[in-house]
Amino acid sequence: DGGITQSPKYLFRKEGQNVTLSCEQNLNHDAMYWYRQDPGQGLRLIYYSQIVNDFQKGDIAEGYSVSREKKESFPLTVTSAQKNPTAFYLCASSISGLAGQRFNEQFFGPGTRLTVL
Amino acid sequence: KNEVEQSPQNLTAQEGEFITINCSYSVGISALHWLQQHPGGGIVSLFMLSSGKKKHGRLIATINIQEKHSSLHITASHPRDSAVYICAVRSLGGGADGLTFGKGTHLIIQP
Repeated sequence: DGGITQSPKYLFRKEGQNVTLSCEQNLNHDAMYWYRQDPGQGLRLIYYSQIVNDFQKGDIAEGYSVSREKKESFPLTVTSAQKNPTAFYLCASSISGLAGQRFNEQFFGPGTRLTVL
Repeated sequence: KNEVEQSPQNLTAQEGEFITINCSYSVGISALHWLQQHPGGGIVSLFMLSSGKKKHGRLIATINIQEKHSSLHITASHPRDSAVYICAVRSLGGGADGLTFGKGTHLIIQP
């Protein structure tokens, strides 16, 4: 079945350690996104990528890094510079990231809940 | 930057009731999304619309572009509809930089 997978579902790390969250899609979508969700707040965009080997910062990119070496994969690294990394992280993809709403519907993965101890 | 407001924040209703969740935004948009998030955290896209009305089963979504307002209705609500419903918009000229999300409406349908 086509879809987006994120692993693991729950992740625990010690303060000061970098951690990488996986996001894989087999939908053949060009655009991929990383969002962060905190209690009582809307999802906020961390990074997005319109195409392989290209990515852009979102609203809250500080302390995060990404790569897009393959179309189907968009891993997110939470670095030790992220001051408050404990959150729920959601990955999404869409056919195209370009304006033109027909192709903008985003499909979401199941999320990874990161807890930094 | 678009501001997205949802109301109510929390809603508890009895099974069978007609449910309405509202979403307003501040800047012109190219599309509005209604999403459903279950307790496990995964998000499902319910609707994407830019005008008029869409219906899928017991769910109806409407949008009024002039008033910058959308509503999500659930007819004959059922306990399995209990979830967080999230409104998200793509601003006009927003390009590929994702969506702006409301904080969500936490809906509980009691049997």
